[in-house]
This record gives sequence, structure tokens and C-alpha cells, in this order.
Amino acid sequence: DAGITQSPRHKVTETGTPVTLRCHQTENHRYMYWYRQDPGHGLRLIHYSYGVKDTDKGEVSDGYSVSRSKTEDFLLTLESATSSQTSVYFCAISESGGSYEQYFGPGTRLTVT
Amino acid sequence: GENVEQHPSTLSVQEGDSAVIKCTYSDSASNYFPWYKQELGKRPQLIIDIRSNVGEKKDQRIAVTLNKTAKHFSLHITETQPEDSAVYFCASTSGGGADGLTFGKGTHLIIQP
Repeated sequence: DAGITQSPRHKVTETGTPVTLRCHQTENHRYMYWYRQDPGHGLRLIHYSYGVKDTDKGEVSDGYSVSRSKTEDFLLTLESATSSQTSVYFCAISESGGSYEQYFGPGTRLTVT
Repeated sequence: GENVEQHPSTLSVQEGDSAVIKCTYSDSASNYFPWYKQELGKRPQLIIDIRSNVGEKKDQRIAVTLNKTAKHFSLHITETQPEDSAVYFCASTSGGGADGLTFGKGTHLIIQP
């Protein structure tokens, strides 16, 4: 597996609380992505980054924000968690961008009660 | 935006037989088509990919074919084995530089002994 870690791996939180998920890579890849996976929906892109401080929205970005202050770290924040954000969150990295291989982290299972 | 349809949602085959999973995409500018395998509770793993300038690619027992005119691509697994049991996802890019992948909803492949 590529050098990608995600933290925490599991989290239970209450509706209305802020939550931050972290993706850390040791591959020095330029591109990083956040996806969510829900039954019946496959994986859907939330946000992505094409360099330090360079980010953009994906298909399901409402209610999420991201930050990338270092090449190796990409943070996903739920400003005020809702039950609809209960999901498994995967980070992915790519050396050369969207038209090239993406490798996934182990995932974070988030439950919002 | 891009839309990817994947069929069937569940596929059961006898061990040793072949399995075929099909996907269609909507954006004619899409140029990269990876396939991922995901075992229960694990991260998606890239198993094979194809770019729009190639019609077919093989890697041992797996192959992918692409028909750009019809905008569909397929995964072929020959001589299936129990360890092939998993959920398989197709994906495509929307053609942009750093854009993330658009995924199909997945096919649960079951290998019957």
C-alpha cells in the first residue's frame, strides 16, 4: 500500500459538533482527494487539492471544508456534523493528477448521532 | 458532470468461469478508466486501468476493454478464484487535470465453489 494514513480510523460524534479528519502521506504526491462512500452510491468526490493551499470542490462538497498547509497533510472538516454525513471517508493521492493512478488510504468510519 | 453507470450490481459465477462487468460513461472528454477492487472493510485497490488511446489492456487473468464510440468499458476476469470475491468499482475522469474520479455504484462479485 502507498504511504497513506488516515486519522482517526473510527469516530462517533454528535449532531452539530465540528469534526476534522486527517490524511497524511509520505509519498510527496502533489494531488490529494477526499471521497465518501455510502451504500448504493459508490464513492463520491468531496474536495481535492492540487498543491499546497490549492483546493477545489467536488461533487458533494456542501457542509465540508478542506485545508492543505503542507504537501503531506490534507484535512477535511465538517463544520457542524449532521446525520447525513455518517459515512466512510477515504483519502486518495496521485502523483500526476486526475488522469493517472489514485491510491486510497485505509478510511475513516464516521458516525454522527 | 460525468455520470458512470455500472452493471450488474451483483454477479455470481462458478469458480473457474469468467466474469464480465460493464460500465458506461457520459462525458466524451473522459480519458482515463480505472477499476478498483474492494474487499469488505478494506480500502479500494487499483487493479487495472486503461487510457482512451488504448482499446484493450491485459494483466494476467484480468483485462479491460474500452469502446470510445459507444462510451463503455468492461472488466473481464477469467478463471475466477475464491479470492476474486469482492466489490468492483469502475471509474472515469471528467477529463480535467486534477479532477477526481467519478465512480460507478459497484458490482458485488460472488465466486461459487
